[in-house]
Amino acid sequence: DIQMTQSPSSVSASVGDRVTITCQASQGISSWLAWYQQKPGKAPKLLIYAASSLQSGVPSRFSGSGSGTDFTLTISSLQPEDFATYYCQQANSFQFTFGPGTKVDIK
Amino acid sequence: EVQLVESGGGLVQPGGSLRLSCAASGFTFSSYWMSWVRQAPGKGLEWVANIKQDGSEKYYVDSVKGRFTISRDNAKNSLYLQMNSLRAEDTAVYYCARVNDFWSDEMAHYYYYMDVWGKGTTVTVSS
Repeated sequence: DIQMTQSPSSVSASVGDRVTITCQASQGISSWLAWYQQKPGKAPKLLIYAASSLQSGVPSRFSGSGSGTDFTLTISSLQPEDFATYYCQQANSFQFTFGPGTKVDIK
Repeated sequence: EVQLVESGGGLVQPGGSLRLSCAASGFTFSSYWMSWVRQAPGKGLEWVANIKQDGSEKYYVDSVKGRFTISRDNAKNSLYLQMNSLRAEDTAVYYCARVNDFWSDEMAHYYYYMDVWGKGTTVTVSS
């Protein structure tokens, strides 16, 4: 099975900061990677698919990059509504796996 | 409006059974793979199971193999998760999600991702 790791596990940042979250797969997954945002008590929301494609309706301050085993989610200028937990997820096969999550909170 | 609504959660004793349902609306249900994803209290997301459009392929996380069964009824636009031999560690919010796809001409294959989620139903396994 493919294992996913994320770093950092949490980050404290201020409004306007650039935030970068990394995700690593235990084996190559091409660009079969998605990113989700989840706020407390809410369902996850898709941000990025195919490693770098922005989901419709998601602000352009979110971007994704990477392929193979190493991926990055970047928030170019953190907004108040972006404080949440972010998860990467691989879909190399139909045995999906999520990363453990990165919590972005207010500094 | 594209929507998924889960139901069937509740309190069940260890070793018991529960059947979750997910009602889909606003899209052609039979055209999509579907997933169940769960989240234990205070924990991260865990993918549970996937089912193909016609139900001919099913995949499960190792921890539920042999105990959970994913199924669907395309005539009723509904997804199900039959959960048997429940354990305390199955306590979680269970979400159903639509699996969408994106064809890449450059890579000549599909990319898959979960683009629509329900609000979840809570399962508590406790004596």
